[in-house]
Amino acid sequence: SQTIHQWPATLVQPVGSPLSLECTVEGTSNPNLYWYRQAAGRGLQLLFYSVGIGQISSEVPQNLSASRPQDRQFILSSKKLLLSDSGFYLCAWGRPVYGYTFGSGTRLTVV
Amino acid sequence: SQQGEEDPQALSIQEGENATMNCSYKTSINNLQWYRQNSGRGLVHLILIRSNEREKHSGRLRVTLDTSKKSSSLLITASRAADTASYFCATDAGANPGGGNKLTFGTGTQLKVEL
Repeated sequence: SQTIHQWPATLVQPVGSPLSLECTVEGTSNPNLYWYRQAAGRGLQLLFYSVGIGQISSEVPQNLSASRPQDRQFILSSKKLLLSDSGFYLCAWGRPVYGYTFGSGTRLTVV
Repeated sequence: SQQGEEDPQALSIQEGENATMNCSYKTSINNLQWYRQNSGRGLVHLILIRSNEREKHSGRLRVTLDTSKKSSSLLITASRAADTASYFCATDAGANPGGGNKLTFGTGTQLKVEL
């Protein structure tokens, strides 16, 4: 069966520090992968998605970047965090025609 | 930009009552999906309805889709306290504007079911 792992669950980082969030998928190959951000009490904002290794589509220009070094690995990064980067980050895999499976999320607080 | 807008933003009902949430969207779609999110957790896929379908059932869930009005509704019958969560609609616009290989999520309805 397919599973998705996302870590860490919570993270507190100072302004200006780097960020690396990792997401891995098991039990499937060549999945579409997605990073979303959710502000408190709000909807989901699509940040990046990838349809294959090395292929990244950016939805919102911002302080973040994404990479897909392996087929089932998706990484969200920042060189220097801003206060506005705080939020709940969700990784997902799937295809729009079938639906997504989400990870458990990372709560990022930038202080 | 948000493709889907849920209504109401928040809903509070008593256990045993039915809960109805609505979703409106802007472009034509291939399908519409509903997800549930418990506080502080990831989203869970509930049900998918294709553009050529008008109604779909899954357990206590009933989803309707009206493509002429670009709207959908999610009905939860005989609600339970465990149904307390946020509910999001998501649309697959396919090759239409805002589509591509991604779903677009609405802003969500926060449902609270009280004992």
